[in-house]
Amino acid sequence: QKEVEQNSGPLSVPEGAIASLNCTYSDRVSQSFFWYRQYSGKSPELIMSIYSNGDKEDGRFTAQLNKASQYVSLLIRDSQPSDSATYLCAVNFPGYDMRFGAGTRLTVKP
Amino acid sequence: GAVVSQHPSWVICKSGTSVKIECRSLDFQATTMFWYRQFPKQSLMLMATSNEGSKATYEQGVEKDKFLINHASLTLSTLTVTSAHPEDSSFYICSARDRVTLLSNQPQHFGDGTRLSIL
Repeated sequence: QKEVEQNSGPLSVPEGAIASLNCTYSDRVSQSFFWYRQYSGKSPELIMSIYSNGDKEDGRFTAQLNKASQYVSLLIRDSQPSDSATYLCAVNFPGYDMRFGAGTRLTVKP
Repeated sequence: GAVVSQHPSWVICKSGTSVKIECRSLDFQATTMFWYRQFPKQSLMLMATSNEGSKATYEQGVEKDKFLINHASLTLSTLTVTSAHPEDSSFYICSARDRVTLLSNQPQHFGDGTRLSIL
């Protein structure tokens, strides 16, 4: 079983819609979770961190964490074409480095 | 915020050449650095983890004699691709964490990446 699983997509949403990105992880002890955005040919940039169960909102982005279900998600409201990128879910596993999911490619169509 | 500088950003060279990529932490002491490789339209793959002053730990399937990693100081790690061949062409990204971020579960800081093209 992979440590961090994401639906590779591609996920396509119209401009202005909500994009929902999902991620599951294998270790119940993990304490910190991150979403990175990666544009083609660029390195990942951190967009959200979440450490406790529930929702965390930052502008148009909302991260949701459910440790019991080992599930973390990212919602992007009012999606814009500039949000088109690959979104990487990352999980800190205790005693190890950060592990990344394969990424979900998101396309926002004007 | 913490900055990781990676150099060069783009390398084109002939097959058989050795290529060195530098990764520097500009405003923090990087006790741990990570090297990733990413082929087009594929996911980020961890190649190796290095702690300052000790030998790097390589992921399964990564040839340590081909990808030489040196982390001799708290601000600099280098990746040398020895006798590079076209199949080594990829996007190489480093990231770094200091002791504080490692203990506090804060995220890693990434360099801008190096695109390596072997002819």
